[in-house]
Amino acid sequence: SQTIHQWPATLVQPVGSPLSLECTVEGTSNPNLYWYRQAAGRGLQLLFYSVGIGQISSEVPQNLSASRPQDRQFILSSKKLLLSDSGFYLCALDRDKKTQYFGPGTRLLVL
Amino acid sequence: AQSVAQPEDQVNVAEGNPLTVKCTYSVSGNPYLFWYVQYPNRGLQFLLKYITGDNLVKGSYGFEAEFNKSQTSFHLKKPSALVSDSALYFCAVRDPRQGNMLTFGGGTRLMVKP
Repeated sequence: SQTIHQWPATLVQPVGSPLSLECTVEGTSNPNLYWYRQAAGRGLQLLFYSVGIGQISSEVPQNLSASRPQDRQFILSSKKLLLSDSGFYLCALDRDKKTQYFGPGTRLLVL
Repeated sequence: AQSVAQPEDQVNVAEGNPLTVKCTYSVSGNPYLFWYVQYPNRGLQFLLKYITGDNLVKGSYGFEAEFNKSQTSFHLKKPSALVSDSALYFCAVRDPRQGNMLTFGGGTRLMVKP
């Protein structure tokens, strides 16, 4: 069965520092991959999705970017973090364009 | 455009009582509907989905949901609540004609008291 790994689990970063969050998946190939942000333990905001290597679609303009260097790797980055980037970042995948499955998440605190 | 509404921020229920978490949706076509549960500091766990077929869908942990097309609803139910069911619940919808995007409701916090 498919597994989603997210690294790191928790991160505390100063304002203005760079960011790299990693999502890797196992047990599936050619997945659609998604990055969501969840603020204050509530609603989810879709940030990016990818249907294949090097193919990234952005849903919300912001200072974040995403890359998909390999089929099973999805990276979320920033050159300079803002306070408002704090939140819980979730990676998700789907294979059949029906059910999305989520990773364990990365909690980011920007100070 | 597709949308989902979860009208209750929080639902309180006593252990052993039935629970209902409400969800209504809006899509232009036939929807795919989903329920997820989130425990503190965890990712979302898939509970159940409606794609087609029987309107009553059964999922994990004894949960079920009923698709009601005329009322555009997909309420989550369980006959007897457990304290361990306390968590944040999300309803989501996808219009299969509109691509891959899932639209989530704002979430409902379920509190089950002993």
